Amino acid sequence: SQTIHQWPATLVQPVGSPLSLECTVEGTSNPNLYWYRQAAGRGLQLLFYSVGIGQISSEVPQNLSASRPQDRQFILSSKKLLLSDSGFYLCAWSVSSVTYEQYFGPGTRLTVT
Amino acid sequence: AQKVTQAQTEISVVEKEDVTLDCVYETRDTTYYLFWYKQPPSGELVFLIRRNSFDEQNEISGRYSWNFQKSTSSFNFTITASQVVDSAVYFCALSKEANSKLTFGKGITLSVRP
Repeated sequence: SQTIHQWPATLVQPVGSPLSLECTVEGTSNPNLYWYRQAAGRGLQLLFYSVGIGQISSEVPQNLSASRPQDRQFILSSKKLLLSDSGFYLCAWSVSSVTYEQYFGPGTRLTVT
Repeated sequence: AQKVTQAQTEISVVEKEDVTLDCVYETRDTTYYLFWYKQPPSGELVFLIRRNSFDEQNEISGRYSWNFQKSTSSFNFTITASQVVDSAVYFCALSKEANSKLTFGKGITLSVRP
């Protein structure tokens, strides 16, 4: 069966510091991968998605970036965090063939101080 | 542009009550997909159901049922005989094609009291 991992689970970082969040998927090949952010107030916003290694699409302009160095690895980064980057970051995957559901990881709670 | 509206923000019921969570969507696409996800206090979103726009058949799964009506652009979710474990935030979502981005509603916080 497929599983998705995210780490760290929680993170407290000062403003201006760098960020690296990691997501890995097990049990499938060539998944589509997604990064979402859930800010206080609950709405989920798609940040990035990837259909393959090195292929990243950005949905919202911001100071975050994403990379996919390996088939089942998706990384969310920032060079300098802002207070507004605080939130709950969720990684999701879906099978790249004809399927529709996205399956979510446990999330990373980021607090920028 | 796609939009999902969950007008209810918080609902509180007593255990064993039935509760309906409303979802209204907007899209110009003729083919689209609707979803419900559950987010328990742990934070992970759990997939509950997908409905295709060309399939208006309602669905029942145990205590859960879903009513899809294209005429009113609604995809409502009913929990029968609610239980404390049903307490969570429930999200309705919409996508226009397979593997495309999900547009989420703002979610409904359901609290089931014993």
